[in-house]
Amino acid sequence: DAGVTQSPTHLIKTRGQQVTLRCSPKSGHDTVSWYQQALGQGPQFIFQYYEEEERQRGNFPDRFSGHQFPNYSSELNVNALLLGDSALYLCASSQGLAHEQYFGPGTRLTVT
Amino acid sequence: SQQGEEDPQALSIQEGENATMNCSYKTSINNLQWYRQNSGRGLVHLILIRSNEREKHSGRLRVTLDTSKKSSSLLITASRAADTASYFCATDDKFYFGSGTKLNVKP
Repeated sequence: DAGVTQSPTHLIKTRGQQVTLRCSPKSGHDTVSWYQQALGQGPQFIFQYYEEEERQRGNFPDRFSGHQFPNYSSELNVNALLLGDSALYLCASSQGLAHEQYFGPGTRLTVT
Repeated sequence: SQQGEEDPQALSIQEGENATMNCSYKTSINNLQWYRQNSGRGLVHLILIRSNEREKHSGRLRVTLDTSKKSSSLLITASRAADTASYFCATDDKFYFGSGTKLNVKP
């Protein structure tokens, strides 16, 4: 039973560029949430997708957008990258909107 | 504002001792979850406690929940060096995490 997978593992981008991160949920899960974790901090909730719609959103600008596909996988897109976007991006999946979440290993994004 | 806030921020104990960390939150919840994170890696779900539960056990873990005080505690008994990690609590209300408790278990 595959857990949550994320790709790529690491990514280096330049300021102003755009990036797309990908997540496949755990088998049987239909809800995907995305988090940003800066070094030494807790994860910050970006948004949650269920039934291909954004259901909840944290305090992140519109530069952060997402998508969920019919197979429940999800993408996180960040436009006009800033140095401050450098972080570990975590994807979590769950069964339904308020159940326990299972996290992927994360994508380490470095913006130079 | 953060929904889950853990304290202490850091805790250093000897192997075999118990470790207790606390979490406070601000709004009504349906459940509260505890996670562990080894350095720079994904979070591992430890335990979920529902708002109508007061205590829950899982192996060496014991979680309590006091909804009147909006607080929870995680107790790790007979700690091991492998328990060294950051521990976070999160509620089901937008899954806000605090900054975590960094636990260091010395062998």
